[in-house]
Amino acid sequence: GENVEQHPSTLSVQEGDSAVIKCTYSDSASNYFPWYKQELGKGPQLIIDIRSNVGEKKDQRIAVTLNKTAKHFSLHITETQPEDSAVYFCAARGSSYKLIFGSGTRLLVRP
Amino acid sequence: KAGVTQTPRYLIKTRGQQVTLSCSPISGHRSVSWYQQTPGQGLQFLFEYFSETQRNKGNFPGRFSGRQFSNSRSEMNVSTLELGDSALYLCASSLGQGSEKLFFGSGTQLSVL
Repeated sequence: GENVEQHPSTLSVQEGDSAVIKCTYSDSASNYFPWYKQELGKGPQLIIDIRSNVGEKKDQRIAVTLNKTAKHFSLHITETQPEDSAVYFCAARGSSYKLIFGSGTRLLVRP
Repeated sequence: KAGVTQTPRYLIKTRGQQVTLSCSPISGHRSVSWYQQTPGQGLQFLFEYFSETQRNKGNFPGRFSGRQFSNSRSEMNVSTLELGDSALYLCASSLGQGSEKLFFGSGTQLSVL
């Protein structure tokens, strides 16, 4: 079945450092990969997404890379700030057109 | 532009009861999806509605059902509640179907006692 694995489950970085979160998907037909940020008491918020025909996408301090051969995709946050502290979810849309989410990464940015 | 609105914000029910949750999508969005979020299972897809028709369904029992109205507002219903149904139920809207660029509401926190 469709599955998305996400690592690490928790990540603590010093303010200003970079953070990297990695995901692996199982369905080779997956063609859309969004990343969501969820703050306490709120629903997930889309922060960046990428399609399977693109290898990398950047938006200011956030970037996503996709390796279709290895079925890996990663979120990179540079120059982290305390307000980046939240839970981050990766997701993949497979052949069923359902979004399958990873288990989440709790990011803590220490001032 | 107003975001996705979910009501109620919190609900407490007892086993065996039924519950109806409501979702108002962003104006102009025609697709509404529902997700269940629990600490143990994470975010799981329930169903997607587009133009009043269920377009996709997750692996949940038939006790979970939904519908969409002509104004794109959606409701989901859970009958014969079980303790394991305690979760945050999230609604997300998007312009088109297919789970792209979802905008989530803040959810309804359901507790089943």
